[in-house]
Amino acid sequence: KQEVTQIPAALSVPEGENLVLNCSFTDSAIYNLQWFRQDPGKGLTSLLLIQSSQREQTSGRLNASLDKSSGRSTLYIAASQPGDSATYLCAVGVGNAGNMLTFGGGTRLMVKP
Amino acid sequence: EPEVTQTPSHQVTQMGQEVILRCVPISNHLYFYWYRQILGQKVEFLVSFYNNEISEKSEIFDDQFSVERPDGSNFTLKIRSTKLEDSAMYFCASSEQGFNTQYFGPGTRLTVL
Repeated sequence: KQEVTQIPAALSVPEGENLVLNCSFTDSAIYNLQWFRQDPGKGLTSLLLIQSSQREQTSGRLNASLDKSSGRSTLYIAASQPGDSATYLCAVGVGNAGNMLTFGGGTRLMVKP
Repeated sequence: EPEVTQTPSHQVTQMGQEVILRCVPISNHLYFYWYRQILGQKVEFLVSFYNNEISEKSEIFDDQFSVERPDGSNFTLKIRSTKLEDSAMYFCASSEQGFNTQYFGPGTRLTVL
């Protein structure tokens, strides 16, 4: 059974710092990996999707990498801002064509001004 | 920008009652999903739906649950005979294809008393 783990569970950094969030998964047979942002009491906002054949994706200050063979992904956030404070979730796509997402527990990020 | 919408935002029901949660997926999307998040726990996959039938379902999605696309725009989750442990945030999502980015709605918070 696929298990997704995110370390650390919580992270507090000063504004402007570059940071890396980690995601690991136990079964490398995935179709894709998706990173989300979740604000308290709110829905999930998709940040980046990496297909299994890709190594990385970039969107603005965000860069996500995928190493399928080792079962790892990282989300790099450059020049963090207080508005980046949220919980970041990674999810791997499994099942029929990857349409079943298995989520990690998230990393709760606080960026202090 | 198109978005997934869900109604109601909060539903309170008595144990044993039936509830219907409603979602309007993004209009050109073909795949629809339901996930749930019990407070403090991971987001869990319930079911995916494509071409008017269930594509995949998890162990959680037993006979108590059913999904339907009653018309060209709505996608519903019915929970029969609700239990206390059904209390959770229920998220609807949609994607163009099964392996594409899944876009989530804001969620319906279900409270079973």
